[in-house]
Amino acid sequence: AQKITQTQPGMFVQEKEAVTLDCTYDTSDQSYGLFWYKQPSSGEMIFLIYQGSYDEQNATEGRYSLNFQKARKSANLVISASQLGDSAMYFCAMREGPRGSARQLTFGSGTQLTVLP
Amino acid sequence: GAVVSQHPSRVICKSGTSVKIECRSLDFQATTMFWYRQFPKQSLMLMATSNEGSKATYEQGVEKDKFLINHASLTLSTLTVTSAHPEDSSFYICSASSRTWGHEKLFFGSGTQLSVL
Repeated sequence: AQKITQTQPGMFVQEKEAVTLDCTYDTSDQSYGLFWYKQPSSGEMIFLIYQGSYDEQNATEGRYSLNFQKARKSANLVISASQLGDSAMYFCAMREGPRGSARQLTFGSGTQLTVLP
Repeated sequence: GAVVSQHPSRVICKSGTSVKIECRSLDFQATTMFWYRQFPKQSLMLMATSNEGSKATYEQGVEKDKFLINHASLTLSTLTVTSAHPEDSSFYICSASSRTWGHEKLFFGSGTQLSVL
């Protein structure tokens, strides 16, 4: 089974509007972390936001917020007030295991976001 | 945030030659380094995990004799693609975490686009 599922290969959003990128995950661990990264065409991976499985509040970082629904095992990324520079590939990722463990990230297949002027 | 410097950003080589990719953590001690591979329009796939001073742990299906990983110091890890072939052409990217911050954060290098002729 896929550990991270991103069902939207591509998304379009009008500039200044909000957009939600979907992510569901599968793990039997009680302790895990969820990440979102942005990858522009240059290839670098830019960290956007992190949510720990025990965090009670949804994570927010500027225009990015993570809609964490633990029972549904979903961790959707919400980008508010989209900008042209937000056009990129977005990856959801999960690290299984307790905080402090040096574990790798497992990535979803990504969503290509295009912001329209 | 912390910086991981990855070089070269792009390399073109002839089939049969070896290519070395370096990842340096510039302002922190990277106790653990992860090496990923990414084919066009696809997700990042973990190749191996290396801890400073230890042998790397390779994922299933990754040839350890072909992809040599060295993590001899807390600031440098290298990936050497030996006897490269066209099918090794891919985007390679490293990420580093540190015991200093409990491995909560992962920082990525800017990636290396390898093209084997």
